[in-house]
Amino acid sequence: DGGITQSPKYLFRKEGQNVTLSCEQNLNHDAMYWYRQDPGQGLRLIYYSQIVNDFQKGDIAEGYSVSREKKESFPLTVTSAQKNPTAFYLCATGQGNQPQHFGDGTRLSIL
Amino acid sequence: QKEVEQNSGPLSVPEGAIASLNCTYSDRVSQSFFWYRQYSGKSPELIMSIYSNGDKEDGRFTAQLNKASQYVSLLIRDSQPSDSATYLCAVLSYGGATNKLIFGTGTLLAVQP
Repeated sequence: DGGITQSPKYLFRKEGQNVTLSCEQNLNHDAMYWYRQDPGQGLRLIYYSQIVNDFQKGDIAEGYSVSREKKESFPLTVTSAQKNPTAFYLCATGQGNQPQHFGDGTRLSIL
Repeated sequence: QKEVEQNSGPLSVPEGAIASLNCTYSDRVSQSFFWYRQYSGKSPELIMSIYSNGDKEDGRFTAQLNKASQYVSLLIRDSQPSDSATYLCAVLSYGGATNKLIFGTGTLLAVQP
């Protein structure tokens, strides 16, 4: 079944803790993206990667880190430096000038 | 800063009416334009893509693009309560080897039965 798989669906973070959100795709797309969405807000780009072993900061990268060791995988770590991490996190993939497609998202909350 | 602007709404229309959603963008060299639908608590799903000036129809949906006016719109004919959602306009911005999708903040559509 082709698509984008994000896990977990819900995640809770304690103070001072780093948490990692998973994003896996089997669409063979080169580009992968991470967005953050706050209630009633649009999507803001955190990080993106056009090829393996390379990634760039988006508009709100502070407090986040990523890796792209495999084409299929683009995990996002929300570090303790991110002071307001509660949000809906969306992973997307894309190819050239084609539209991006999204996973089902991970909802992160603070304990 | 490249921007995409949408009226946040809510836009309320009666069932069976035409809903008209509008979007303007600032980057003149943008070539690709998309409309996504997002139900509450869900991820965005692509409903229309448009790449050239004019109209593109797909079922009850019509996307309209006017590059000279930097304007893209989405018409939903025979609106149904199930169309009630937030509609996100997205514009592909080229930056050398990097393509980035710039999203508007979305328009909330409410179709009244």
